[in-house]
Amino acid sequence: DAGVIQSPRHEVTEMGQEVTLRCKPISGHNSLFWYRQTMMRGLELLIYFNNNVPIDDSGMPEDRFSAKMPNASFSTLKIQPSEPRDSAVYFCASSSRTGGTGELFFGEGSRLTVL
Amino acid sequence: AQSVTQLDSQVPVFEEAPVELRCNYSSSVSVYLFWYVQYPNQGLQLLLKYLSGSTLVESINGFEAEFNKSQTSFHLRKPSVHISDTAEYFCAVSEVNAGNMLTFGGGTRLMVKP
Repeated sequence: DAGVIQSPRHEVTEMGQEVTLRCKPISGHNSLFWYRQTMMRGLELLIYFNNNVPIDDSGMPEDRFSAKMPNASFSTLKIQPSEPRDSAVYFCASSSRTGGTGELFFGEGSRLTVL
Repeated sequence: AQSVTQLDSQVPVFEEAPVELRCNYSSSVSVYLFWYVQYPNQGLQLLLKYLSGSTLVESINGFEAEFNKSQTSFHLRKPSVHISDTAEYFCAVSEVNAGNMLTFGGGTRLMVKP
């Protein structure tokens, strides 16, 4: 299995631009998570999908952030407009909810720099 | 709601020395406990987990952690570290029967020196 695939691995953009991060979860997994990692705040859960439906988006920082999961094999996290404080590494993770034993499989992350 | 506290943000240690990374949690219900490891420029990988049964769990690369319910702790230990163990380690907790919603601690950076 290829694991969780994220793109792009690195993104440098200017303040005000739209940013779209993409994630392909592991085939057969029905839960998908978006996390943000910064030095100041550590790992923060932004949003959680189960069977393509958003379950908990209380971690999404503000309306500039939106996430979608149109099907079981693809999710996007969009920031519009982007700001310098959005600079972080964004991780996507997937898991199989069946059994609920908690192992998340993480992608390698998308490092976003907003100038 | 649950929370996780990792008491040390950085732990420097010499190669072949023992190490303990501390983790305490709080929760009003039964929990599963996890340690994840993050190597530089990579995502997190599961190192070991406690679900039930024996309170001592081990990883394939020599780490172990012990669930202590009375002290609400899940400290990670290794008797002899290697340079390759240099990484950031995250303790995490999820409520039993609550799906896979993990709450992570702030992480501990283990720095192994030659």
